[in-house]
Amino acid sequence: EVQLVESGGGLVQPGGSLRLSCAASGFTVINNYMSWVRQAPGKGLEWVSVIDSGGRTYYADSVKGRFTTSRDNSKNTLYLQMNSLRAEDTAVYYCARDEIFHYGSGMSYHYFDYWGQGALVTVSS
Amino acid sequence: DLTQAPSVSVSPGQTASITCSGDKLGDKYVSWYQQRPGQSPVLVMYQDKKRPSGIPERFSGSNSGNTATLTISGTQAMDEADFYCQVWDSSTALFGGGTKLTVL
Repeated sequence: EVQLVESGGGLVQPGGSLRLSCAASGFTVINNYMSWVRQAPGKGLEWVSVIDSGGRTYYADSVKGRFTTSRDNSKNTLYLQMNSLRAEDTAVYYCARDEIFHYGSGMSYHYFDYWGQGALVTVSS
Repeated sequence: DLTQAPSVSVSPGQTASITCSGDKLGDKYVSWYQQRPGQSPVLVMYQDKKRPSGIPERFSGSNSGNTATLTISGTQAMDEADFYCQVWDSSTALFGGGTKLTVL
């Protein structure tokens, strides 16, 4: 059974740092794309980042240069290192398994078939 | 950008249609997620019209032109939730703003 369990959320001051973890079971993180998606209180879903099976990472403009996604293959765990945090980063952060489908000439399509329970990050003084 | 109506209401047993609009959306694949209050999103449709295992047959999807539609036939009280459409474009996932489905 596929499971994703986030941890590491909490209260942090503006400008501070926090690292989220996402422990996976039932599949191997290194063989899959993995994404982070966040949801501000009372708002919709916002994609944050993806790491592909080769370890390449891509980020939303809103977090580029401040957030870093990585993984530990021995622990089958995904991480999101968040630096220079701002009030607008306050959200529940979900990790999700990212399925990719290639079609046409060089086109790709991603969707998220499994989600964790989420970790709340609150940025406030 | 993906545009969704903020809310849709439907009576139990009736058909609910939730739409997602975007420029040439029919040229892309669309996914749909259901999020019940206090829960994580759940994939209910992918590649426009494919249902993941465990999703009831009353959920169906279509995508053409500038509009993708998630249709729920014989809507039940348990279907009440927020629904989000999603596409992949230029190495980025884009979500619609979400539609709150009320079953009353």
